[in-house]
Amino acid sequence: KNEVEQSPQNLTAQEGEFITINCSYSVGISALHWLQQHPGGGIVSLFMLSSGKKKHGRLIATINIQEKHSSLHITASHPRDSAVYICAATYNTDKLIFGTGTRLQVFP
Amino acid sequence: EPEVTQTPSHQVTQMGQEVILRCVPISNHLYFYWYRQILGQKVEFLVSFYNNEISEKSEIFDDQFSVERPDGSNFTLKIRSTKLEDSAMYFCASSALRGGTDTQYFGPGTRLTVL
Repeated sequence: KNEVEQSPQNLTAQEGEFITINCSYSVGISALHWLQQHPGGGIVSLFMLSSGKKKHGRLIATINIQEKHSSLHITASHPRDSAVYICAATYNTDKLIFGTGTRLQVFP
Repeated sequence: EPEVTQTPSHQVTQMGQEVILRCVPISNHLYFYWYRQILGQKVEFLVSFYNNEISEKSEIFDDQFSVERPDGSNFTLKIRSTKLEDSAMYFCASSALRGGTDTQYFGPGTRLTVL
């Protein structure tokens, strides 16, 4: 069964800390997506990757195909980074299969 | 920057009533999707749509659900006879290329409450 597992479910950090969110998935993905869901519910795509590493500002996403594992890192975290971060995968179709999300709270 | 829009933002309906949720995808996108998120649960795929037909649908997308692209800009999700368990946030998304290997852009969602 194609699944996506995330950890941790909840994460609390102090401003400035380095944050890592982990995602594991089943074999055979086409691409791995990281998304951000704001408190109001809106969903924003952060990254799509199938190999290697991508960086955008303070966000870095990596994927290890052999280990079927991806990580999302946030450097120098800020309270405005507080949101739910979701890992999702596609498996030879166009539908995104979502993980349960990681709720991040960054305190000043 | 182009964005996906959805209306209404919140819809309240009585059980058994029909609802239509509306979406305007990004104008040059060709692939369209509906997802839903029941409160406290993860986002689930409902249906994908390309070239005026359904590409894929989930088990949730039964005969009570239908999608339509009535003109060149709108993409709608209809629920014929709503149930209490249809209460959820419904997200429309679109992508320029096949969503398996392209970024899907999400609308802000429609919160559907079935009483």
